[in-house]
Amino acid sequence: DQQVKQNSPSLSVQEGRISILNCDYTNSMFDYFLWYKKYPAEGPTFLISISSIKDKNEDGRFTVFLNKSAKHLSLHIVPSQPGDSAVYFCAASGWGGGSEKLVFGKGTKLTVNP
Amino acid sequence: DTEVTQTPKHLVMGMTNKKSLKCEQHMGHRAMYWYKQKAKKPPELMFVYSYEKLSINESVPSRFSPECPNSSLLNLHLHALQPEDSALYLCASSQDRGDPRYNEQFFGPGTRLTVL
Repeated sequence: DQQVKQNSPSLSVQEGRISILNCDYTNSMFDYFLWYKKYPAEGPTFLISISSIKDKNEDGRFTVFLNKSAKHLSLHIVPSQPGDSAVYFCAASGWGGGSEKLVFGKGTKLTVNP
Repeated sequence: DTEVTQTPKHLVMGMTNKKSLKCEQHMGHRAMYWYKQKAKKPPELMFVYSYEKLSINESVPSRFSPECPNSSLLNLHLHALQPEDSALYLCASSQDRGDPRYNEQFFGPGTRLTVL
């Protein structure tokens, strides 16, 4: 039972354009959402988060949008840079699966072409 | 200091060996975590320590034994592992539950474990 879904395993965009990564969740008890970026052979790096009481959070080039009614969130990166090429994980937290913990999606591999 | 460190970076062990993974953070975080990550998969939670007490064990086999000697250190003791336990083991830490940013976990670089 996959509670956090990232349906696109990969995404390729041109440098300078917008990257949009999507994430869906099924558990309505989730109340906090995060995006992590992971380079090969490194641990995930926290990027940006959003609480369920908000619908948007912005930090520099990164913006996360939350649509609670659709149980959907997205990460926008503008403008995309080659250094953004990595695997992006969506994660959700709240009372899910019988305890409070982070539940990760399977990740989307973003490639930004120069 | 916003870093979580893990040692060793790589570990190769036989199925009869005993080894330990170590994790350290100096951010004053009171929650620490062990995750296991297989290739092309998301991190899977193994254990959570909150204020140096084990609060979550995700039904992990007893051949993995966590230990939290103090608020900055987290160990994972390994014994009689199987080849399928080969993976990247990640440590993470976060603020305590009273902080609204409790869920923002900071990860270490991981230990790449190979069991022969």
